[in-house]
Parts: sequence; C-alpha cells; structure tokens
Amino acid sequence: DGGITQSPKYLFRKEGQNVTLSCEQNLNHDAMYWYRQDPGQGLRLIYYSQIVNDFQKGDIAEGYSVSREKKESFPLTVTSAQKNPTAFYLCASSSRGLNTEAFFGQGTRLTVV
Amino acid sequence: AQRVTQPEKLLSVFKGAPVELKCNYSYSGSPELFWYVQYSRQRLQLLLRHISRESIKGFTADLNKGETSFHLKKPFAQEEDSAMYYCALSPPSVSGGYNKLIFGAGTRLAVHP
Repeated sequence: DGGITQSPKYLFRKEGQNVTLSCEQNLNHDAMYWYRQDPGQGLRLIYYSQIVNDFQKGDIAEGYSVSREKKESFPLTVTSAQKNPTAFYLCASSSRGLNTEAFFGQGTRLTVV
Repeated sequence: AQRVTQPEKLLSVFKGAPVELKCNYSYSGSPELFWYVQYSRQRLQLLLRHISRESIKGFTADLNKGETSFHLKKPFAQEEDSAMYYCALSPPSVSGGYNKLIFGAGTRLAVHP
C-alpha cells in the first residue's frame, strides 16, 4: 500500500526530553516536509528536504532538528529547546517539478506533560 | 513577505446554498496556488490547483492577480463538503528545486441539512 506513514499517532513527552517523530514514504518522492498545525494558525513549515543529505529550515525551525539519510525517511526531533512543543505534526512528500501535489501523513499529536 | 490569508475561521451554510471561501495572498511574483481539504478523520489532501483550471467535486477557484485572490466557490453546497479548507501558495524556487507550500490558517466549512 503506497503512501506516507507517520508514527506514532500519539506521543507523550516529559518536559525537558527530546523526542523523535518518524516519517516514511514509499512514493519515491524526492522532497519531504514537516509542518506544525496549531488551531487558528494553519500549517507552518518547520523543515524541508529536497534531496538526500540536504535540508533547509522553514519558518519555525528553532527547537527542532531533522535528518535525511535515506530518500524514504525524514525523522523530526523535537528538542528540549522547543518552548511550546505540544502540537499536531504533519509530514508530507512531493515529487519533482512545479505544481506537484503534496501527499500528507496522518499526523502525530505530541503532548508535553 | 509571502503570506496567505483566509479571513474566515468558520463558514456555516445550509445545504444547497452557494459557498465562497476566501483566500488572499501576498507575493511579489507569480506563485502557484492550491486548495487543500481535510475531511473529518482523513488526511489533508489536494482539492484543486489553479493551473489545472479544473472543477473538483463541484468546486472551482479563480485566480485574480489584480486582487491577489484565489477564492474557492461552489454553487450548491452539500453536507459532505463539511471540512477544513486550506489555501496554499507555492513560490517558484530560484534554485530550480521543489516548491514548498505556504498555508493559510484554514476555514472550517459547516454545511447544515
């Protein structure tokens, strides 16, 4: 079954701990993205990657880190430096070219307790 | 600055009524524009893109460069149209790479019987 998979669906973290969110795709897409979704604010871009071993900061990268060691995988680490990490996180991927459709995962809801 | 504005957080209509979800953008060049939709308990997915000039599920969107708007319209709303709608802008990449998406805050459409 082709698509983009995020895990886990729900994640709880103690304040001060780092946590990593998984994102895997088998669509053979070159580009992958991480967004944060907060009520009333839409989706805000955290990081994106256009190719393996390369990634760029989005609008709200502070307190987050990523890696892109494989084309299929783009994990996001929420570090203890992120001041307000409780949110819904969405991963997406897209293929080359202009006007390409972005495919989204089902999201991970992170709660800091 | 690149920005997408959706002025209405909630749009509530009765079945059969016309619907217009507003989207305004700020961008100095010629971006590509999209509408994404998120139905309850489903993934965020592409509804339509302006370059295709298509009608999907009865929805159309016209790009007005003079007013920098890309409003989404449907002449007769159906209950199954109830969802969260996001307008998105994709700026051309100077490096020739892939385009990131900049989203608006979203409008929740509620269609009542």
